[in-house]
Amino acid sequence: GENVGLHLPTLSVQEGDNSIINCAYSNSASDYFIWYKQESGKGPQFIIDIRSNMDKRQGQRVTVLLNKTVKHLSLQIAATQPGDSAVYFCAENIMEGGSNYKLTFGKGTLLTVNP
Amino acid sequence: DAGITQSPRHKVTETGTPVTLRCHQTENHRYMYWYRQDPGHGLRLIHYSYGVKDTDKGEVSDGYSVSRSKTEDFLLTLESATSSQTSVYFCAISPHGQRNGYTFGSGTRLTVV
Repeated sequence: GENVGLHLPTLSVQEGDNSIINCAYSNSASDYFIWYKQESGKGPQFIIDIRSNMDKRQGQRVTVLLNKTVKHLSLQIAATQPGDSAVYFCAENIMEGGSNYKLTFGKGTLLTVNP
Repeated sequence: DAGITQSPRHKVTETGTPVTLRCHQTENHRYMYWYRQDPGHGLRLIHYSYGVKDTDKGEVSDGYSVSRSKTEDFLLTLESATSSQTSVYFCAISPHGQRNGYTFGSGTRLTVV
């Protein structure tokens, strides 16, 4: 939505720099994590995911790191471009009641790329 | 996204009136979800569906009902709209349920005056 960037942590970087966006998740039983990108006025868009049996996963210009010890997830964007300006948020998959999975979203970080 | 369409994109309604939002998918995915997004809260699950006529509540379901009579359509109804339901509403679809990432629609901005 248009106002999704309000009240969010912000990260401002120069074009061409690398960006690191962090996320702390809540449940040590979470076994699947996803990063989404949301541009102004648009719906969230899948970027990359990682399962709990992995520590690192790479995509095109993006890398996700998972540290289960401290329940921390990070998204690294290489050579950040103006088109990367958006809100980024993580989601964790938590199992409830033995078989029911629930995807819970973080509040997000607003990334601004300065030309 | 081409496979998922929300309508209307924008709506202004008066307090106390019923409102129905529509989500239509062409992907034949089994799972469909309704979320609301508000500043400071992120995405919160309202209701979801795991098949035709099979629905369940999410974390913020009070004041909302849903129906899914066909695989491709998932309707969200506000029986009597209140100002606290002013929000952006997103529909999402998934082939395998909550163990995999979702595809989101473009959203409906609802204003209740």
